[in-house]
Amino acid sequence: GDSVTQMEGPVTLSEEAFLTINCTYTATGYPSLFWYVQYPGEGLQLLLKATKADDKGSNKGFEATYRKETTSFHLEKGSVQVSDSAVYFCALGSNDYKLSFGAGTTVTVRA
Amino acid sequence: GAVVSQHPSRVICKSGTSVKIECRSLDFQATTMFWYRQFPKQSLMLMATSNEGSKATYEQGVEKDKFLINHASLTLSTLTVTSAHPEDSSFYICSAKVGYEQYFGPGTRLTVT
Repeated sequence: GDSVTQMEGPVTLSEEAFLTINCTYTATGYPSLFWYVQYPGEGLQLLLKATKADDKGSNKGFEATYRKETTSFHLEKGSVQVSDSAVYFCALGSNDYKLSFGAGTTVTVRA
Repeated sequence: GAVVSQHPSRVICKSGTSVKIECRSLDFQATTMFWYRQFPKQSLMLMATSNEGSKATYEQGVEKDKFLINHASLTLSTLTVTSAHPEDSSFYICSAKVGYEQYFGPGTRLTVT
């Protein structure tokens, strides 16, 4: 079945550091890929998405490229801020519109 | 954008009682909503798919008689945890499907004492 493997955390960074969170997937067919962010005590917010191979999703300085050849969708940000501290989830959307989530990566950015 | 609300945001109930959680799409109609459960420091687990006007589809291992789902209108789905027990304490999150995307509610923290 469809599944997502996400880099384990927690990840602690200093402000303005470079952030990468690895995500790989296993799927049949041609899934859509998503990154969601969850701030403390809140629900999930869609951060970015990509619907086909080589698509690049971007939002709020975050980027991720849908790589079919490596079945990956790694999240990157060049210069993180304290406000980026959150839990990040990689997710795969299958043809039946269900989402399969990775385990989540907790990111803490220190001033 | 598509906004989904949940009510209540937090609820504490006694063991053996039932609790109803509402999920509403505020500015759009959703024929399909999803219910998830999230344990502390863990990922989301899909519990069921809620379809307007028909029975919900439950994931394997989820007790349909314990977690009653009703999707009576295009903007409202409810999850009722029946005869709640402490092990049902969790963060419950709903989402509404728009195209191939899902928009998530803010979640409901259920604590069963």
